[in-house]
Amino acid sequence: AQSVAQPEDQVNVAEGNPLTVKCTYSVSGNPYLFWYVQYPNRGLQFLLKYITGDNLVKGSYGFEAEFNKSQTSFHLKKPSALVSDSALYFCAVRHTGGFKTIFGAGTRLFVKA
Amino acid sequence: EAQVTQNPRYLITVTGKKLTVTCSQNMNHEYMSWYRQDPGLGLRQIYYSMNVEVTDKGDVPEGYKVSRKEKRNFPLILESPSPNQTSLYFCASSSSVTSYEQYFGPGTRLTVT
Repeated sequence: AQSVAQPEDQVNVAEGNPLTVKCTYSVSGNPYLFWYVQYPNRGLQFLLKYITGDNLVKGSYGFEAEFNKSQTSFHLKKPSALVSDSALYFCAVRHTGGFKTIFGAGTRLFVKA
Repeated sequence: EAQVTQNPRYLITVTGKKLTVTCSQNMNHEYMSWYRQDPGLGLRQIYYSMNVEVTDKGDVPEGYKVSRKEKRNFPLILESPSPNQTSLYFCASSSSVTSYEQYFGPGTRLTVT
């Protein structure tokens, strides 16, 4: 069965420091992997995706993520955090041969000034 | 403007009173989906549709119905709502053209008393 784990409920970083939000997945076959962000009282917004090719993918707002097939991970990273990055982040996985999408429970990111 | 719209945004109802939450997208996406968001559980897929007249169950379909008679619309029907369906609901659409990154509506907060 497909599953997504975000092991940290909350991540705290200081503004200007690098941030990492972790995601591991379990899916048969080749996955499509996604990161979404949710700001307060808003819907989810797409950040980036891995489909195939280069393991390091770049997305919106300076975020990037690294696909690691051997560790089945897709961690979200940013070199220098901003206070405005504070939000709820979701990792999601979709089997390439199917239509179901599984989301992780979410990680709340707090960036302190 | 490309968007997914949902109505109503907020709804308070009583147990057993049938309701419909509408969802519409203007991007000609073939794939649409409904999710519910609950604290600590992330987003869970209720139903999805691969195209007109083609729908399938997600992970939590009990108590919900959907229909896809037109490509742009994908209403969610609760025929006999119960308090455990109190949640935040999101509609999303996507396309194979962009590898299924999803565009989300603003959400519908449903309270069933």
